[in-house]
Amino acid sequence: GAVVSQHPSRVICKSGTSVKIECRSLDFQATTMFWYRQFPKKSLMLMATSNEGSKATYEQGVEKDKFLINHASLTLSTLTVTSAHPEDSSFYICSAKAGTAYGYTFGSGTRLTVV
Amino acid sequence: TQLLEQSPQFLSIQEGENLTVYCNSSSVFSSLQWYRQEPGEGPVLLVTVVTGGEVKKLKRLTFQFGDARKDSSLHITAAQPGDTGLYLCAGVNNDMRFGAGTRLTVKP
Repeated sequence: GAVVSQHPSRVICKSGTSVKIECRSLDFQATTMFWYRQFPKKSLMLMATSNEGSKATYEQGVEKDKFLINHASLTLSTLTVTSAHPEDSSFYICSAKAGTAYGYTFGSGTRLTVV
Repeated sequence: TQLLEQSPQFLSIQEGENLTVYCNSSSVFSSLQWYRQEPGEGPVLLVTVVTGGEVKKLKRLTFQFGDARKDSSLHITAAQPGDTGLYLCAGVNNDMRFGAGTRLTVKP
């Protein structure tokens, strides 16, 4: 089946630094990938939609200059949290759409802690 | 702002009881999915419903998609402690958006 690999699973960084999270589709080409953020005991909130070869579409209230998304190939999308602050600490999850109508596959998530 | 209203947000029941989780929206979806998520992990797909009025069963879980494809329900029969977890509904059109989630606890 379709597998999405997300790395790292956990990261701790200092305030002001940047962190890159990778999401790779291992056995299919992902034309579209989605990035979600999840606070403790809360649901997943869509942050942005990335399409291979074009600019990401960000949801209202999500700072595109802070959360940089790059979808340079059909198998890789990256989310870079720039100048991280403690309030950016959260669980980030990617999802890839294989191009079929219902084929969404999730990564295992990245727990970001900014200290 | 979430397009999907999911209720209840918290549910604590005894083993053997039945329960229903609701997911409602004013938007029409091409499909609706139900997920279960364990702490620290990504959500795992339980079912996808596509056709208005569709009913799908997965062992003790019954999923229904509303006739207008705006709402859905998840019914669990004879809940077991192993059913404990976060249940999420997600509406699908060009993207996927989640409801607030239902945190279910089944006590032995």
